[in-house]
Amino acid sequence: ETGVTQSPTHLIKTRGQQVTLRCSSQSGHNTVSWYQQALGQGPQFIFQYYREEENGRGNFPPRFSGLQFPNYSSELNVNALELDDSALYLCASSFPGGAIDTDTQYFGPGTRLTVL
Amino acid sequence: DAKTTQPPSMDCAEGRAANLPCNHSTISGNEYVYWYRQIHSQGPQYIIHGLKNNETNEMASLIITEDRKSSTLILPHATLRDTAVYYCIVGYGGATNKLIFGTGTLLAVQP
Repeated sequence: ETGVTQSPTHLIKTRGQQVTLRCSSQSGHNTVSWYQQALGQGPQFIFQYYREEENGRGNFPPRFSGLQFPNYSSELNVNALELDDSALYLCASSFPGGAIDTDTQYFGPGTRLTVL
Repeated sequence: DAKTTQPPSMDCAEGRAANLPCNHSTISGNEYVYWYRQIHSQGPQYIIHGLKNNETNEMASLIITEDRKSSTLILPHATLRDTAVYYCIVGYGGATNKLIFGTGTLLAVQP
């Protein structure tokens, strides 16, 4: 158990719809990263939020957007869903405490999104 | 793209040491080597990381070659619960590091 929670666990949507996924970071962590993991592949970095600001983005289109709240929880929004968006969506929290040994990212269990 | 190369799969007998290799020939001087694992349908779990020196914690040991172009993760006494996909990642470290995963090594621990 990492203390990172995600909701919902599973979700089924149809093509063209919009979806919002949620992540609660581990207590005290102010950085949240989102990853997409297609079946049989390693996770791919989507974007990262640090203290409510976007801090880096991977190669994903603008219909993938996010938000981080003052309590450091985060949302991932995907508009105009496509079949290829079917994947496990993972969030990870971390705390840049200055010492390199504190840079571990703690992953949640993920949200399995199926687009029909 | 991932900066690491790992074998797609390996087997290990329960109770024996599992040695998982990773090549990272283009690693730069201030990049760390991280290892994560992912048990089926769960989120990745941090195992260990290092820069130059060998590292050991309660889960595993990390051996980095002197030229830093390759490393080996060692699970000293593998159990069935260690069956997972193991990812070797290189990055600059820090809590805002964006992890670049490859396809990893599927370690199957056999009874």
